[in-house]
Amino acid sequence: GEDVEQSLFLSVREGDSSVINCTYTDSSSTYLYWYKQEPGAGLQLLTYIFSNMDMKQDQRLTVLLNKKDKHLSLRIADTQTGDSAIYFCAEKRGKLIFGQGTELSVKP
Amino acid sequence: ETGVTQTPRHLVMGMTNKKSLKCEQHLGHNAMYWYKQSAKKPLELMFVYNFKEQTENNSVPSRFSPECPNSSHLFLHLHTLQPEDSALYLCASSQRLAGGPVETQYFGPGTRLLVL
Repeated sequence: GEDVEQSLFLSVREGDSSVINCTYTDSSSTYLYWYKQEPGAGLQLLTYIFSNMDMKQDQRLTVLLNKKDKHLSLRIADTQTGDSAIYFCAEKRGKLIFGQGTELSVKP
Repeated sequence: ETGVTQTPRHLVMGMTNKKSLKCEQHLGHNAMYWYKQSAKKPLELMFVYNFKEQTENNSVPSRFSPECPNSSHLFLHLHTLQPEDSALYLCASSQRLAGGPVETQYFGPGTRLLVL
C-alpha cells in the first residue's frame, strides 16, 4: 500500500514495556523515525534509525527494523505515565511520510 | 524564544474571514514546512520552503496561501475556508544539507483552527 500504517491505540500499565508497531511502504527508504506528540504540543523527534541497521537502543527506547517485512517497532521499557502521548512513525521518501499515530495510554 | 514558535495557538474564524498563521524558527534552519493534522489521520504535508523558495505544494487548495519572507519566518494566509479545514496546523523547520544524512524536522506547537 501507499500508507504508513500503525495501530491507533495501545494501553499498558505503569512499569510494563510498551511496543508500538509500524508498517512502512518503501524498502528504499533511507531513514525511519519515531516522533512523540504530547497533548497540545507539536511533534518531538524521539529517535531514528538508518536503514542498514536492525536495532538501535537509546536509554529506555529500542527501535527494531525488519527491512524484509518493512516493519518498524518502538519498545519503551519501564513505561511511565509521562510516556502517555501519540507516537508517530515516519519514513523518509524524499519527504517525510507519517503514519496516523498510535495513542499510548499508561495506567497507574 | 527557542525552537519553533507558532501564533496564534488557537483560532476560530468564519468562512468569510481572512486570517494568517505565523511561524518563526530560532534554529538557523534553511527549510520550513506547513503540515495539517486532522484527527486520526496521518500528517499531511502542505508546503515546503527551501531558502525561502517554495519547493513543494501538495495539491493544497488556493484558499491556503503560504508566504516565506525570510528563512526564519513562515506564514499561512487563510481566506474563505471551509469547516473541513478545521485542524491543527503544524509548522516545522530543518537544516537541509546537500547529500547529507538525517534531516531532522523540529516542530512548533501548532495552531488549533476551527472554521465555523
